[in-house]
Amino acid sequence: GQQVMQIPQYQHVQEGEDFTTYCNSSTTLSNIQWYKQRPGGHPVFLIQLVKSGEVKKQKRLTFQFGEAKKNSSLHITATQTTDVGTYFCAGPNTGNQFYFGTGTSLTVIP
Amino acid sequence: NAGVTQTPKFQVLKTGQSMTLQCAQDMNHEYMSWYRQDPGMGLRLIHYSVGAGITDQGEVPNGYNVSRSTTEDFPLRLLSAAPSQTSVYFCASSYGRGSTEAFFGQGTRLTVV
Repeated sequence: GQQVMQIPQYQHVQEGEDFTTYCNSSTTLSNIQWYKQRPGGHPVFLIQLVKSGEVKKQKRLTFQFGEAKKNSSLHITATQTTDVGTYFCAGPNTGNQFYFGTGTSLTVIP
Repeated sequence: NAGVTQTPKFQVLKTGQSMTLQCAQDMNHEYMSWYRQDPGMGLRLIHYSVGAGITDQGEVPNGYNVSRSTTEDFPLRLLSAAPSQTSVYFCASSYGRGSTEAFFGQGTRLTVV
């Protein structure tokens, strides 16, 4: 079955440092989504990438979709304490059901 | 704007008991799904539905049943609770079949003792 792996599982950064999480799929994806889950909260949609090589930015967040559409990354520039949480990527299988990655838990040290 | 509503928020069950986790959405979404979240394992798909009367299994369906009699409601039933089902459960809905934004409920934290 499809597997969506994320690395790292945990990341601790000093406030102001950059942060990157990587998502890798065993199969080619038609699109990929990213979600953020605050501690004790529920996942909230951030963005969707569809095109090969696509890059999208949301303020300090930069999302990339790989050329082969099998990997993606989320990069946060100059982290803030409000960035704390777990970041998930999610991709559809052949039946268009979404499978989530294992997530990267980000801790920002003030 | 209620979005996706899950009840209850917390539940403690004894091994062998059954219960139903409720999920309702008011966005007229065709697509609904249930996930469980365990430490280090991300969100794992239990069951999903592409519309009223249609359900299918996800990655980890054993021990769970679902039904979809209306567009709005998608309850998850635990048939005979086991400690391995201790988890946080999330219901989600979306317009499309995995190609549009998913909206999540607040979650149900279930403990089976």
